[in-house]
Amino acid sequence: AQSVSQHNHHVILSEAASLELGCNYSYGGTVNLFWYVQYPGQHLQLLLKYFSGDPLVKGIKGFEAEFIKSKFSFNLRKPSVQWSDTAEYFCAVILDNTDKLIFGTGTRLQVFP
Amino acid sequence: SAVISQKPSRDICQRGTSLTIQCQVDSQVTMMFWYRQQPGQSLTLIATANQGSEATYESGFVIDKFPISRPNLTFSTLTVSNMSPEDSSIYLCSAEGSGTGELFFGEGSRLTVL
Repeated sequence: AQSVSQHNHHVILSEAASLELGCNYSYGGTVNLFWYVQYPGQHLQLLLKYFSGDPLVKGIKGFEAEFIKSKFSFNLRKPSVQWSDTAEYFCAVILDNTDKLIFGTGTRLQVFP
Repeated sequence: SAVISQKPSRDICQRGTSLTIQCQVDSQVTMMFWYRQQPGQSLTLIATANQGSEATYESGFVIDKFPISRPNLTFSTLTVSNMSPEDSSIYLCSAEGSGTGELFFGEGSRLTVL
């Protein structure tokens, strides 16, 4: 079955540290890829998305992600995190043969000042 | 973008009862979905709410337990029937922004079953 894996379940960083959250999917066809963020007490928001074109995608708040097709990966990065980045981050995929968004297990990021 | 409102935002219910969650979108949307987010877990798709026809359920979810209505392009309801403590979860409504491929989410309905 198709799935989305996020290897880091809980990440703890100090402010200004660099961030990379892993995301891998298992599907051989075309995919649309997303990163969503859920700040404490708030609803899910879209950080960035990839449909086609440049595999390096820039999103809001300084986040970016790179789609590497050969590795089935879509890792999220930020060069310097802030305390306000503390949140739960979800990678998600839409497969080309469905309309359904499949979520990864999520990564909880805690940033300490 | 689409703004999604859900109610109730939270509720505490007794075992064996049923609760209906309402989802209102501020614009007409084609696709609406219901997700469940159990404590400490990711989001799991329950069903796709189809306008004018029966909802399409994912494996492990059935209509008798989670009946869904979609009377028009801006509104849907999810009922959690005959609840048990295992149904304690956050239930989220989502809708696809027209032509964007992006899903927008409501704030969720946190359900606790005693």
